[in-house]
Amino acid sequence: QKEVEQDPGPLSVPEGAIVSLNCTYSNSAFQYFMWYRQYSRKGPELLMYTYSSGNKEDGRFTAQVDKSSKYISLFIRDSQPSDSATYLCAMSAIRDNYGQNFVFGPGTRLSVLP
Amino acid sequence: NAGVTQTPKFQVLKTGQSMTLQCAQDMNHNSMYWYRQDPGMGLRLIYYSASEGTTDKGEVPNGYNVSRLNKREFSLRLESAAPSQTSVYFCASSETVLVGGNQPQHFGDGTRLSIL
Repeated sequence: QKEVEQDPGPLSVPEGAIVSLNCTYSNSAFQYFMWYRQYSRKGPELLMYTYSSGNKEDGRFTAQVDKSSKYISLFIRDSQPSDSATYLCAMSAIRDNYGQNFVFGPGTRLSVLP
Repeated sequence: NAGVTQTPKFQVLKTGQSMTLQCAQDMNHNSMYWYRQDPGMGLRLIYYSASEGTTDKGEVPNGYNVSRLNKREFSLRLESAAPSQTSVYFCASSETVLVGGNQPQHFGDGTRLSIL
């Protein structure tokens, strides 16, 4: 079993839909959670960063962590064609300075259709 | 403001050839990283440099060497390329926070490397 799992997609939704992207993990020590967006032929960019359980909102994006279920989610409201990208989750067990302990999921490819 | 610049963008090598991937950042970041990204496997850390003059192994360092040339530049070298090293390579940089705390990494646009 991989440490971090994501459905690779592709996930196709109509413009304006609410999108739910998810990761499951097996290491109960993870406590720092991140979501990255990666456009085609580009590097990842950090969208959201959360610590421990709970929700965090930033504009149209909400990150949710359920440590009891080892499950994290990213919700995108009012999705736009410009949201079409691959979304990577990443997590870490310790508060390291250099990200050397980040574990990345393989990513979910999202297409938002106009 | 270029951010993180990687060269070349594409390269095809034959097995056994050597090559250096270049990375430069203009954000005055202390820390720099090299990752590889393979289908279905996510990003994996090859090497990182916490600060100028230091380098450390990541998850998958075998077959690679790195040089932190100065604060701006961090290069990755394949001494004898193997087909298993076919991948997309990303360089990233970030600030460091000595008291702890994860900092966002800024990524370049990658080098697509094929080894035949």
